[in-house]
Amino acid sequence: NAGVTQTPKFRVLKTGQSMTLLCAQDMNHEYMYWYRQDPGMGLRLIHYSVGEGTTAKGEVPDGYNVSRLKKQNFLLGLESAAPSQTSVYFCASRGTATGELFFGEGSRLTVL
Amino acid sequence: KQEVTQIPAALSVPEGENLVLNCSFTDSAIYNLQWFRQDPGKGLTSLLLIQSSQREQTSGRLNASLDKSSGRSTLYIAASQPGDSATYLCAVSDSNYQLIWGAGTKLIIKP
Repeated sequence: NAGVTQTPKFRVLKTGQSMTLLCAQDMNHEYMYWYRQDPGMGLRLIHYSVGEGTTAKGEVPDGYNVSRLKKQNFLLGLESAAPSQTSVYFCASRGTATGELFFGEGSRLTVL
Repeated sequence: KQEVTQIPAALSVPEGENLVLNCSFTDSAIYNLQWFRQDPGKGLTSLLLIQSSQREQTSGRLNASLDKSSGRSTLYIAASQPGDSATYLCAVSDSNYQLIWGAGTKLIIKP
């Protein structure tokens, strides 16, 4: 039972490069979330999705785009990476039965 | 606007002690409250989920309580062990599944 899987786990980018983080869940959850976690800042919501084909902005959406073409996948894209986007990114999912939230192990991104 | 506060921000206790972590929230209209632990460099692991209609949940040495009227939840850890050292976070969810997070309590259990 894989739960929530994030790829890649580590990535180093140069300023201006683009990349996509993939989150996959095998629990048939409706809701999926992308967070970033920075020292002293706690978890901040970037974007979220309440179902296949839907996305919505969170607390800090600027510089990121997302897509939810398939229910099990939630992609986070950086079109032009900036050093301020150096962070650890977490994906999470939750179902509607209990509302329990499950997290991936995180993706550490460094932008030089 | 919902606000979640965790006190203390850090706690260091000797091994074997029972301890309580606190989580308070300003709006009692919550859907559920969830406690997580996070180890350094790792993701978040769900510990306990309390639905708004419940008063407490237990898992092993952990017990979480919920008092909506006073806007409080506590996480009780019995017979603490060095392996319990981690950051503990609470999050409350509203009916729209929006989560509001506390800043966490960093717990150190000294052998």
